[in-house]
Amino acid sequence: GENVEQHPSTLSVQEGDSAVIKCTYSDSASNYFPWYKQELGKRPQLIIDIRSNVGEKKDQRIAVTLNKTAKHFSLHITETQPEDSAVYFCAASRSSNYKLTFGKGTLLTVNP
Amino acid sequence: NAGVTQTPKFQVLKTGQSMTLQCAQDMNHEYMSWYRQDPGMGLRLIHYSVGAGITDQGEVPNGYNVSRSTTEDFPLRLLSAAPSQTSVYFCASSRVLNEKLFFGSGTQLSVL
Repeated sequence: GENVEQHPSTLSVQEGDSAVIKCTYSDSASNYFPWYKQELGKRPQLIIDIRSNVGEKKDQRIAVTLNKTAKHFSLHITETQPEDSAVYFCAASRSSNYKLTFGKGTLLTVNP
Repeated sequence: NAGVTQTPKFQVLKTGQSMTLQCAQDMNHEYMSWYRQDPGMGLRLIHYSVGAGITDQGEVPNGYNVSRSTTEDFPLRLLSAAPSQTSVYFCASSRVLNEKLFFGSGTQLSVL
């Protein structure tokens, strides 16, 4: 089955700096790559996703890049704010099965 | 719309007891799933369903049963609780797989 590795497990940045979280996946047939944000004590919420026919996607301060050849994808957050502090999860799945596999998460702390 | 409703929010069981975690969605979603979240382990798929009457196993199905008699409901049954099942459980649904997952608020389960 699919295996998703996520790095780093913790990340601390100063407010205004950029943050980058990286994930690798094992199944070359995977074609859907979402990112979820989970604030402390809350449920995960989708912040951005990308499909395998696209190399990059942006939404305001958040962007995701995908390298299918290397089987890795990354989340980029620019101009970080304290409210960006949360655990971020990457995930991967393919159309032919119904299993979304998550990475182990990255705890992002944005220091004011 | 209520979205995904999960009950109970907290539960304490003794080893060997059984219980059912309830999950309901009012968005007419085809896809429903159960995840468990343990510290440092991310979200791991227990069981999923792609429609009424159709269920299948995820990554960690042992000790759990599911059924999907209606589109709206997807209960998770613990047959004989074990301390290893102490975790936070999330129900999630989406219109189809490979679209935004909507999570319930979670159930914190402790098995003593």
